[in-house]
Amino acid sequence: AQKITQTQPGMFVQEKEAVTLDCTYDTSDPSYGLFWYKQPSSGEMIFLIYQGSYDQQNATEGRYSLNFQKARKSANLVISASQLGDSAMYFCAMSPGGSQGNLIFGKGTKLSVKP
Amino acid sequence: DVKVTQSSRYLVKRTGEKVFLECVQDMDHENMFWYRQDPGLGLRLIYFSYDVKMKEKGDIPEGYSVSREKKERFSLILESASTNQTSMYLCASRIQGIGNQPQHFGDGTRLSIL
Repeated sequence: AQKITQTQPGMFVQEKEAVTLDCTYDTSDPSYGLFWYKQPSSGEMIFLIYQGSYDQQNATEGRYSLNFQKARKSANLVISASQLGDSAMYFCAMSPGGSQGNLIFGKGTKLSVKP
Repeated sequence: DVKVTQSSRYLVKRTGEKVFLECVQDMDHENMFWYRQDPGLGLRLIYFSYDVKMKEKGDIPEGYSVSREKKERFSLILESASTNQTSMYLCASRIQGIGNQPQHFGDGTRLSIL
């Protein structure tokens, strides 16, 4: 079965430090996409970063980078130089190949940035 | 920027009522989705639509129906609301056919069924 696993329900990080949020996925499709979203306490889902299964390089978007290890089926999000505004829920999601862009979400990780 | 608008941020209804949640997007996206979000469970797909008048069941369609009469609007209907449908409901839209395009979400509706 296709599945996303986020094993860290909650994490703390000191302001200005880097943090890694874990995500593993399970699929037998050779083609798939991996997404990370941020959800602040206000509730909106904000798209952060995308990685395609055939992409050779790890995706980066500003302070966000994705550590993609295909053989291990992991797609960890790295946030560099954490800011107080990074405190939020973070969701990893997968779009299986051949889907209509449907997403399978993990249960999320709550990140708290300490001043 | 893509704008996905959900009609209400907060909604309180009574058990047995028929409830309509409305979602409108302004980017001519073909695909639209309804999720519910519960603590510790993440987002679960209720229904999605990839064209006008087309709909597909997601993972948890029981107790819900949807309507898509126009491309920009996707409505979620609770036929007879029950307390276990108290939740956060999120609508999303996406352009069809391009794999790296994300879903764009509305701000969500926090629905309480009393």
